[in-house]
Amino acid sequence: ELKVEQNPLFLSMQEGKNYTIYCNYSTTSDRLYWYRQDPGKSLESLFVLLSNGAVKQEGRLMASLDTKARLSTLHITAAVHDLSATYFCAVVTGNQFYFGTGTSLTVIP
Amino acid sequence: GAVVSQHPSRVICKSGTSVKIECRSLDFQATTMFWYRQFPKKSLMLMATSNEGSKATYEQGVEKDKFLINHASLTLSTLTVTSAHPEDSSFYICSAGQTLHGYTFGSGTRLTVV
Repeated sequence: ELKVEQNPLFLSMQEGKNYTIYCNYSTTSDRLYWYRQDPGKSLESLFVLLSNGAVKQEGRLMASLDTKARLSTLHITAAVHDLSATYFCAVVTGNQFYFGTGTSLTVIP
Repeated sequence: GAVVSQHPSRVICKSGTSVKIECRSLDFQATTMFWYRQFPKKSLMLMATSNEGSKATYEQGVEKDKFLINHASLTLSTLTVTSAHPEDSSFYICSAGQTLHGYTFGSGTRLTVV
């Protein structure tokens, strides 16, 4: 079974700072997704990464994928309070989704 | 973009009753939909893969007689929690989509069994 680990599980950071969330997975994958979840809400799609070396950016978030290392990163630049949420990576093989443990991010003013 | 509608968003039911949750793809056809369960502050756990016109594929440990899935059309899958108990209280989320364009999640259903 494919295992997906995220770290850190909890992250508290000050506004304006940068930080990276890591997503490691155990076996070969077709693609990788990043999602955001606000409390009591469903998941919002952020990025889909399809190939080795893929990099995508949207606002203060940038995601990358290294399939050889089985690692994806979600980099936060100059954090703002609105980014406070839980972030999940999900690795897909075939049609099967395997979610990471999630990273709960709190941005402090 | 792809829109997935899930209904109801919240439901409270008595122990022993059954609850049906609907998941609809509004602007695309979905031969496959997925049902997840999420406990508070935990990740999503895949319960089953719903296949249009055929039986759902359940993950290990998920009781197929308790969590009935029907995917009768290309735009609708339903999850029925039968004879609900308080331990079935959870957040249930469906998803659907197309492989290369990503999957969209429904808004989720908060089930509370009292």
